[in-house]
Amino acid sequence: QKEVEQDPGPLSVPEGAIVSLNCTYSNSAFQYFMWYRQYSRKGPELLMYTYSSGNKEDGRFTAQVDKSSKYISLFIRDSQPSDSATYLCAMRGISSGSARQLTFGSGTQLTVLP
Amino acid sequence: DVKVTQSSRYLVKRTGEKVFLECVQDMDHENMFWYRQDPGLGLRLIYFSYDVKMKEKGDIPEGYSVSREKKERFSLILESASTNQTSMYLCASTKVQEKLFFGSGTQLSVL
Repeated sequence: QKEVEQDPGPLSVPEGAIVSLNCTYSNSAFQYFMWYRQYSRKGPELLMYTYSSGNKEDGRFTAQVDKSSKYISLFIRDSQPSDSATYLCAMRGISSGSARQLTFGSGTQLTVLP
Repeated sequence: DVKVTQSSRYLVKRTGEKVFLECVQDMDHENMFWYRQDPGLGLRLIYFSYDVKMKEKGDIPEGYSVSREKKERFSLILESASTNQTSMYLCASTKVQEKLFFGSGTQLSVL
């Protein structure tokens, strides 16, 4: 079993839809949770970063962490064609000293149709 | 803006060739990383470096080596390329632990 599971999609939604992207994980030591966005033919870029449980909002994006269920989500409101990309979750434990301990999900490919 | 530049966008090599992938960052970051990205497997860490001439193995170092002679440059070396090393290779750098800055990647095909 992988430490981090992410539905690969592909996921297609109409413009304006609310999108929910999810990851589950098995390592209860994970404390830091991230979402990276990767456009086609580009490297990933950090989109959202949260520590421990709770929600974090940034514009149309909301990151949610439920540590009791070992489940994290990224919600995109009013989705736009420019949101079409692959979204990767990443996480690490509190005792990990560097980004070498980041564990990535395999990514969900999202297409927002105009 | 931070820029991480990978020398080649696409590379085609033959089995057994020695392959060099170059990465340069312009933000004076101490930490640099090499990942490979394969469908369904996500990003897997090959090697990372936290200082000049310092390196540590990641999760899948077999068949690879690295060189960091200058702070801004981190090279990945495939000593004898094999077909199972066909992949997208991503270089990244960071000063802060979570915010990795990635290059655009090198798609390597080994025939």
